[in-house]
Amino acid sequence: DAGVIQSPRHEVTEMGQEVTLRCKPISGHNSLFWYRQTMMRGLELLIYFNNNVPIDDSGMPEDRFSAKMPNASFSTLKIQPSEPRDSAVYFCASSIGLTGGEQYFGPGTRLTVT
Amino acid sequence: GENVEQHPSTLSVQEGDSAVIKCTYSDSASNYFPWYKQELGKRPQLIIDIRSNVGEKKDQRIAVTLNKTAKHFSLHITETQPEDSAVYFCAANPVEYGNKLVFGAGTILRVKS
Repeated sequence: DAGVIQSPRHEVTEMGQEVTLRCKPISGHNSLFWYRQTMMRGLELLIYFNNNVPIDDSGMPEDRFSAKMPNASFSTLKIQPSEPRDSAVYFCASSIGLTGGEQYFGPGTRLTVT
Repeated sequence: GENVEQHPSTLSVQEGDSAVIKCTYSDSASNYFPWYKQELGKRPQLIIDIRSNVGEKKDQRIAVTLNKTAKHFSLHITETQPEDSAVYFCAANPVEYGNKLVFGAGTILRVKS
C-alpha cells in the first residue's frame, strides 16, 4: 500500500486566494483526519470523518475553512480566502475501526500564504 | 472534553542515558494512549501504544506505563541514541468521540553524542 497520499506537498499562494488540499486515505480505512501543525499551536485536529461523514468539526478555525469527503478514497480541505496566519503544515491521517487505533499520517502539505 | 498535558517541553540527554516523558489526561473514560515520534520535516509515526486494561508495555528500548487512577502515562526510552532525537507526542482517545485523538503539545528530545 502506498500509504496516505497528500497533494500538493508544497503550496505558496497570495493572501485572498483559494487553496485546496487533497488527501487519499489508505484503502479500507474508514476514518480520516485533517490536522494543522504550527510551532505556536502544535498539532491541532481540524475535522474528522467516519465512513465519509463529518463527526467532529469543532477544530475548524472559522468559516473560511471547509472540508469534504465525497467518497471513501478522497477528501479535500479548502481555505477561502486564505490569510498569512493559515501558513502551516497540514496533515491528513487515516485509521481503521471505530475507537482507539493507530492513525497513519500522510507526508503533509506545507502551505505558505504571503 | 479531553485535555492532555505533556512534560517536559524539551529534554536533553547524553547518549546512552534514559529519557522519560510524562503526560496527564483529564477524561477518565479515555482508554487508548499512543505515542508518536516526529523527526524533523517528517510525518508523525506511531512508536508504541497502550490500552487501559494494561499497566505497562515494552518494545525493545521503548516502554510505556499507564496509571489510570492518577490519569497519567509515561514514555521511557533506555540507552538513547542520536537517532532518537525527535519530537514526541502523547495522545489520548476519549472513547465518546470514536477514534479521535487528543494530542499533547510535544517534547523535543535531543540526544547528545
